Amino acid sequence: GNSVTQMEGPVTLSEEAFLTINCTYTATGYPSLFWYVQYPGEGLQLLLKATKADDKGSNKGFEATYRKETTSFHLEKGSVQVSDSAVYFCALSESYQKVTFGTGTKLQVIP
Amino acid sequence: ETGVTQTPRHLVMGMTNKKSLKCEQHLGHNAMYWYKQSAKKPLELMFVYSLEERVENNSVPSRFSPECPNSSHLFLHLHTLQPEDSALYLCASSQDFGSARGHTDTQYFGPGTRLTVL
Repeated sequence: GNSVTQMEGPVTLSEEAFLTINCTYTATGYPSLFWYVQYPGEGLQLLLKATKADDKGSNKGFEATYRKETTSFHLEKGSVQVSDSAVYFCALSESYQKVTFGTGTKLQVIP
Repeated sequence: ETGVTQTPRHLVMGMTNKKSLKCEQHLGHNAMYWYKQSAKKPLELMFVYSLEERVENNSVPSRFSPECPNSSHLFLHLHTLQPEDSALYLCASSQDFGSARGHTDTQYFGPGTRLTVL
């Protein structure tokens, strides 16, 4: 079956540091890939997505590139802010199937 | 009001109580979902409704009973729960369930109900 593996957190960074959160996946076909973010006390929100190989999703300074050869979808941001502190979930969706989520990676950004 | 709303936001109940969680979506979506979020575990999909019909039930204990009276509302009825059922219960909706290529599978989540079972 499908699966998503994320790096375990928490990840603690200073403000303006570079962020990478690794995500790899296993799927039988050609999934769409997503990053969701969950701020404290809230539900998940879609951050970005990519629907085919080599696509780059981007939003709010975050980017992730769909790498079929390495089955990866790593999340990056060049300069994090305190307001980016949240839990980040990588997810995939295949045709006619439910979405599979990773376990989430908590990011803490300190001033 | 827009998006996906859930009530109550917090619920404490005893093991013999009966309670219900409510979810409402104002997005015109056709699919709605219940998830359970526990610490250090992946989100667990519990139920999926598409056009008011249940299309997925992931071996959830019968003490959880969903109801979807129309495409905008979803309930989760709870009875005789166990302490291990304490978690954040998230509702989500999407335009459709299981579309080709996943293009419309973006899910929109509510803020969740924090459930504590004593």
